[in-house]
Amino acid sequence: LAKTTQPISMDSYEGQEVNITCSHNNIATNDYITWYQQFPSQGPRFIIQGYKTKVTNEVASLFIPADRKSSTLSLPRVSLSDTAVYYCLVGESNTDKLIFGTGTRLQVFP
Amino acid sequence: DTGVSQDPRHKITKRGQNVTFRCDPISEHNRLYWYRQTLGQGPEFLTYFQNEAQLEKSRLLSDRFSAERPKGSFSTLEIQRTEQGDSAMYLCASSSRGDSYEQYFGPGTRLTVT
Repeated sequence: LAKTTQPISMDSYEGQEVNITCSHNNIATNDYITWYQQFPSQGPRFIIQGYKTKVTNEVASLFIPADRKSSTLSLPRVSLSDTAVYYCLVGESNTDKLIFGTGTRLQVFP
Repeated sequence: DTGVSQDPRHKITKRGQNVTFRCDPISEHNRLYWYRQTLGQGPEFLTYFQNEAQLEKSRLLSDRFSAERPKGSFSTLEIQRTEQGDSAMYLCASSSRGDSYEQYFGPGTRLTVT
């Protein structure tokens, strides 16, 4: 599975837009990009998945350039409750297992 | 709430003892996964089931670990002769076959081996 690289941590203030970039230079043709969110003492939660261009849902947007070697998770107008670890995963859509990295720890301040 | 549940939420045991954890997946999901997570790391895949069949086991799952899903519903994860290195959060997740990238995780069982 393609290795991913994300910033270890990010800080933001309430109301700001947060963009978390993930690098995946060795992404394969059949691979999708999936993001999970994890709050302390909870299991991860699926946020969004995409293959190319842009995907948007009620929680976030995912931007994927044409070469697909990176992707950006965009969280609009974050709140304190968005403080969590965000994981970028790359693999086939119907993968049998998820391969997590160390994720990006987002801290939102008032 | 019809999400994934795990029991117990916390377990403290002495080294050398056996422990067993239970996971109840979302009822209509036929895939069930076990992961382990240590502090500061992302979850690591251990094993998964499709219905009652265990289809893959990670090399992380030593001979001391065994998982079952006897009727294709709930699952148990047993660790025999626990070691301090087994201390971690054990997470269970479930998914439907066609959307296995979207897995629903339970709250986890935190194991502390003293």
